[in-house]
Amino acid sequence: GAGVSQTPSNKVTEKGKYVELRCDPISGHTALYWYRQSLGQGPEFLIYFQGTGAADDSGLPNDRFFAVRPEGSVSTLKIQRTERGDSAVYLCASSLGVGDPAQETQYFGPGTRLLVL
Amino acid sequence: GQQVMQIPQYQHVQEGEDFTTYCNSSTTLSNIQWYKQRPGGHPVFLIQLVKSGEVKKQKRLTFQFGEAKKNSSLHITATQTTDVGTYFCAASTGTASKLTFGTGTRLQVTL
Repeated sequence: GAGVSQTPSNKVTEKGKYVELRCDPISGHTALYWYRQSLGQGPEFLIYFQGTGAADDSGLPNDRFFAVRPEGSVSTLKIQRTERGDSAVYLCASSLGVGDPAQETQYFGPGTRLLVL
Repeated sequence: GQQVMQIPQYQHVQEGEDFTTYCNSSTTLSNIQWYKQRPGGHPVFLIQLVKSGEVKKQKRLTFQFGEAKKNSSLHITATQTTDVGTYFCAASTGTASKLTFGTGTRLQVTL
């Protein structure tokens, strides 16, 4: 079946602008995760949803970052007043669920490459 | 916060040579996952280890979880050019909801 999809694949914006990044998880996956990956580094956890609610948002760097998942499927990561330091690849992943190792494998999407000029 | 270190940072091997990357945590882990990321690609899940001392094999790849559940290793036997990429371990101390990724080991294989 279809994997995790993310749009847009690339986004170029100017400092101070607002951006939205979208993630479509694998159908039937209840858990959804956002990560950020800077060049040469491993993905860094941002936020995780179980269903519609944000179960853990401890990785969001500051209040300019916000994510929603209103219907428990598609999620949008929103960044206000973008800064040059926000430039990175934003990765989304989904898993069947949590609490059982067999359901916790995270499948990643292709990412959105964000460049803030 | 939790830190997960990987060594080496980079390794260049000739095709046919073996390769090993090591992952170390300062805290006891509930499970560890390994991912491969090709240049320009996204992380692709390889395996999850849950039990102390667990060893799992996938063809030429052997994964091991330490007895104390604080370290793990990935060993590739007889590397091929298709093995090129960065290998990440990703650790969890609770449920796998929050993964902390290691620093990664970039593998280059030449003929």
